Amino acid sequence: EAQVTQNPRYLITVTGKKLTVTCSQNMNHEYMSWYRQDPGLGLRQIYYSMNVEVTDKGDVPEGYKVSRKEKRNFPLILESPSPNQTSLYFCASSLPGTGDYNEQFFGPGTRLTVL
Amino acid sequence: AQSVTQPDIHITVSEGASLELRCNYSYGATPYLFWYVQSPGQGLQLLLKYFSGDTLVQGIKGFEAEFKRSQSSFNLRKPSVHWSDAAEYFCAVDSGTYKYIFGTGTRLKVLA
Repeated sequence: EAQVTQNPRYLITVTGKKLTVTCSQNMNHEYMSWYRQDPGLGLRQIYYSMNVEVTDKGDVPEGYKVSRKEKRNFPLILESPSPNQTSLYFCASSLPGTGDYNEQFFGPGTRLTVL
Repeated sequence: AQSVTQPDIHITVSEGASLELRCNYSYGATPYLFWYVQSPGQGLQLLLKYFSGDTLVQGIKGFEAEFKRSQSSFNLRKPSVHWSDAAEYFCAVDSGTYKYIFGTGTRLKVLA
């Protein structure tokens, strides 16, 4: 089944404790992206990746890191989480190009609470 | 800067009534436009998309949207709402630079 998976789905942690949220897709998509969803703010793009070893900042990259060493994986790293990073996080992937490109397929979400 | 505005935070309609959710965008050229739906506790699912051509696009679940360049709008419509349509709906824009901007969402409530 074509899908985007995220782990963990739920995470409660404490301020300053490094964490990684994994994202994996099995559709051979070049493009992957991370979003955070907060009430009243919709989804905001954190980072995106056009392909392996190619990443760029979205609208809210502060406090986050990403890496893209393999096409299928795009982990989100919080080196020193803070309470304002408490949010619902979504990973998405798509094919690049024109036409039917950039229909993004979303993962199920990771609910992160930073105490 | 690009932006997407969904002016209605909440909308309540009766089952069987028609629905229109509004979306306005701010961008110099014609962007790629999308509507996504998020059911409670779920991820986002694409309803429909507009790239070019016919300005009235059909999507899944009986939804359609009309692109109006003069109004910078991409409103979502459904002629008869079902109780299962209760969800949150997001309009999104991609300017072609792989940076996506989502609206703040409209939460739809359906009365039986």
